[in-house]
Amino acid sequence: GDSVTQMEGPVTLSEEAFLTINCTYTATGYPSLFWYVQYPGEGLQLLLKATKADDKGSNKGFEATYRKETTSFHLEKGSVQVSDSAVYFCALSEGNQGGKLIFGQGTELSVKP
Amino acid sequence: GAGVSQSPRYKVAKRGQDVALRCDPISGHVSLFWYQQALGQGPEFLTYFQNEAQLDKSGLPSDRFFAERPEGSVSTLKIQRTQQEDSAVYLCASSSQGGYGYTFGSGTRLTVV
Repeated sequence: GDSVTQMEGPVTLSEEAFLTINCTYTATGYPSLFWYVQYPGEGLQLLLKATKADDKGSNKGFEATYRKETTSFHLEKGSVQVSDSAVYFCALSEGNQGGKLIFGQGTELSVKP
Repeated sequence: GAGVSQSPRYKVAKRGQDVALRCDPISGHVSLFWYQQALGQGPEFLTYFQNEAQLDKSGLPSDRFFAERPEGSVSTLKIQRTQQEDSAVYLCASSSQGGYGYTFGSGTRLTVV
């Protein structure tokens, strides 16, 4: 079945460091790909998405490119801030499943001043 | 309402007790999803409604889990004879169209003792 695998956390970075969180997926069709973020005590929020191969999703300085050849959707940010500390989830959705999301296990990011 | 509202925010149940978790989606949202998030894991799909029709319940872990959305708005997830392994955060999400426009609630944290 479809699945999503993320790099394990926690990831600890200093402010202004470069961030990469790896995400790879397995899917039978052509899924849409998402990154969600969960700040402490809050609900999941959509961070960015890409719906087809080579699309780049971007938001709040974060970006991820849908790479069909490597089945990857790695999240990057050039300069992280303390306020980016959160848990990040990669997810996919197959178009023929009513929008059901399949999530990775999440990667906790901690940014130190 | 402005967002997806879930209640209660926290629930402690004794093993064997029945519980009911409520989700108020964003007004007018057709699609409604329930997910279960165990500690340190990504959310896992439980069930999906389009209006009042339950189109997919493949993720419900056992016949102790039951969800309903009788009038196509508020939804209730019921768990009968709770077990310790049911301890998790239960997330509700709604969407005006399947897949890309999810809004998650803050979840109900269920602890079975």
